[in-house]
Amino acid sequence: DAGVTQSPTHLIKTRGQHVTLRCSPISGHKSVSWYQQVLGQGPQFIFQYYEKEERGRGNFPDRFSARQFPNYSSELNVNALLLGDSALYLCASRVVGIVAPDTQYFGPGTRLTVL
Amino acid sequence: AQSVTQLDSQVPVFEEAPVELRCNYSSSVSVYLFWYVQYPNQGLQLLLKYLSGSTLVESINGFEAEFNKSQTSFHLRKPSVHISDTAEYFCAVSLPLRGGGADGLTFGKGTHLIIQP
Repeated sequence: DAGVTQSPTHLIKTRGQHVTLRCSPISGHKSVSWYQQVLGQGPQFIFQYYEKEERGRGNFPDRFSARQFPNYSSELNVNALLLGDSALYLCASRVVGIVAPDTQYFGPGTRLTVL
Repeated sequence: AQSVTQLDSQVPVFEEAPVELRCNYSSSVSVYLFWYVQYPNQGLQLLLKYLSGSTLVESINGFEAEFNKSQTSFHLRKPSVHISDTAEYFCAVSLPLRGGGADGLTFGKGTHLIIQP
């Protein structure tokens, strides 16, 4: 089975532009989460989606938004890009367990550079 | 809100020596605990997790971690490291959600394990 896939792998934008990052979860996984990993830091939680609804949000400004589609894939949108948005953006998927939490599986990430 | 502290940003160790990577967390409620590994230019891979039950959890590649509730720690250990263990290691926590599942992960800043020949 294919793992979590993300596109594009690399992206270069300039300040003030808009960017859309895409994620396809593992087949059968209904939840997708997004994380931002700045160089030299641990990932920071941005959003969690399950069944097309936002189920969790980290401490990020409203410039960041996301959505989940009926096929459980997801998009992360960032408006009015700042230099500080340069980072590796990670997508993770999982089957939402009822009895016990299930493992999040991470994709390889999209490396965003803002100039 | 919960937080994770990884006390060492870098740990150099000789090959075949033992290693311990330290992780402490802060939370007012029970949490789930995880260790992830990130090899150069790759995404994160789950190494092991503690949800409940036995406080000692093991991975298939020789790592183990012990949950200590009184010390709010979840240190990662390996009795004998190999060159291939060189990577960034992240400790993370998440909160149980009502109705099942878990909230987003809160990560520490990571520990770079450097294996010296």
